[in-house]
Amino acid sequence: DAGVTQSPTHLIKTRGQQVTLRCSPKSGHDTVSWYQQALGQGPQFIFQYYEEEERQRGNFPDRFSGHQFPNYSSELNVNALLLGDSALYLCASSHGLAGQETQYFGPGTRLLVL
Amino acid sequence: DAKTTQPTSMDCAEGRAANLPCNHSTISGNEYVYWYRQIHSQGPQYIIHGLKNNETNEMASLIITEDRKSSTLILPHATLRDTAVYYCIVGAGGTSYGKLTFGQGTILTVHP
Repeated sequence: DAGVTQSPTHLIKTRGQQVTLRCSPKSGHDTVSWYQQALGQGPQFIFQYYEEEERQRGNFPDRFSGHQFPNYSSELNVNALLLGDSALYLCASSHGLAGQETQYFGPGTRLLVL
Repeated sequence: DAKTTQPTSMDCAEGRAANLPCNHSTISGNEYVYWYRQIHSQGPQYIIHGLKNNETNEMASLIITEDRKSSTLILPHATLRDTAVYYCIVGAGGTSYGKLTFGQGTILTVHP
């Protein structure tokens, strides 16, 4: 049973560019959450998708957007990249409406913005 | 979401029990206590969670005080591979829809 997978593992972009990160949830999971982790900090919640809708959003600008597909996989898009967007981007999947279900994290995508 | 307070760092000798404390004095009745750990450059790994009762699994034990204002994660026989940042998180209930609010965590270093 594959766990949460993310692609690519590493990415280098320049300021102003756009980037798309991808996540496949753990088998049986229908909810995907995205987190940003800057160096030396704990992960920060970006948003969560359930039934192809954004259910909850953290304190991130509109440059950060997402999508969930019918197969529950998800994409995170970041437009107009800034140097400060350099971070490890983590995807976590879970199952259930109540929100009590345990979230399982993928290995992350490390983004470097030059 | 309730805020948590953890020591910045702790040391433990290999083979001994590692006891990681967490204070969460503002926890509300429907909020769970979750523990995750993150080994360098990897995604956070789920360890254990609980609401009121003490919990144990193959990785660790979670002791929650009766007033639920603090908890302790116990790794019974620490190994070098347990060196990681340990995060104590409360919340993920009700309208939080599972949102996890990470703090700075505790850096646990296991020594030979």
